[in-house]
Amino acid sequence: ILNVEQSPQSLHVQEGDSTNFTCSFPSSNFYALHWYRWETAKSPKALFVMTLNGDEKKKGRISATLNTKEGYSYLYIKGSQPEDSATYLCASTEAGSYQLTFGKGTKLSVIP
Amino acid sequence: KAGVTQTPRYLIKTRGQQVTLSCSPISGHRSVSWYQQTPGQGLQFLFEYFSETQRNKGNFPGRFSGRQFSNSRSEMNVSTLELGDSALYLCASSFSTGELFFGEGSRLTVL
Repeated sequence: ILNVEQSPQSLHVQEGDSTNFTCSFPSSNFYALHWYRWETAKSPKALFVMTLNGDEKKKGRISATLNTKEGYSYLYIKGSQPEDSATYLCASTEAGSYQLTFGKGTKLSVIP
Repeated sequence: KAGVTQTPRYLIKTRGQQVTLSCSPISGHRSVSWYQQTPGQGLQFLFEYFSETQRNKGNFPGRFSGRQFSNSRSEMNVSTLELGDSALYLCASSFSTGELFFGEGSRLTVL
């Protein structure tokens, strides 16, 4: 069973601030790293799926990086807006497995 | 394109009963996976099905079971319900091992 850790558990930022979260995962036998955004009363929505070491992906003000050798990924949000308030989940899967293991998430609150 | 549909959305059961939850994936998606979320816990993997075959099972007791039909729709069953089974159960579909598309979940309360 993989151990996927996310930090911080929660954070509050002011509107306009930039912020970042960390996801750490086992680097051995790595296959893919997923990021999801989960807004209250909605279903989780995929942000990024990353597989290659050094990969960087961007969607609007949100970007992510991946280091498979040391087993971590960063999610960055530039100029946070109230609508960014959500729980951000990362999940990892091993080669040959169909099981996605999730971290407990980082709950972001953006204060207007 | 219709999203992932889960039914029922809410249900209340008593200890010892059993429950069946249903999940209809996005058309064309053949992989369906199930997750349990309880307060303070992340999404815990239950099982994953592809073309009616269970490919992976999480660390849950045998009271938790599932199946997938030829049209890719999936059901999960929990027998002999315990208070600790109260949770949000999420279903997700995907093209094999790609990004997951989640349903809105079935919230089970066991009294």
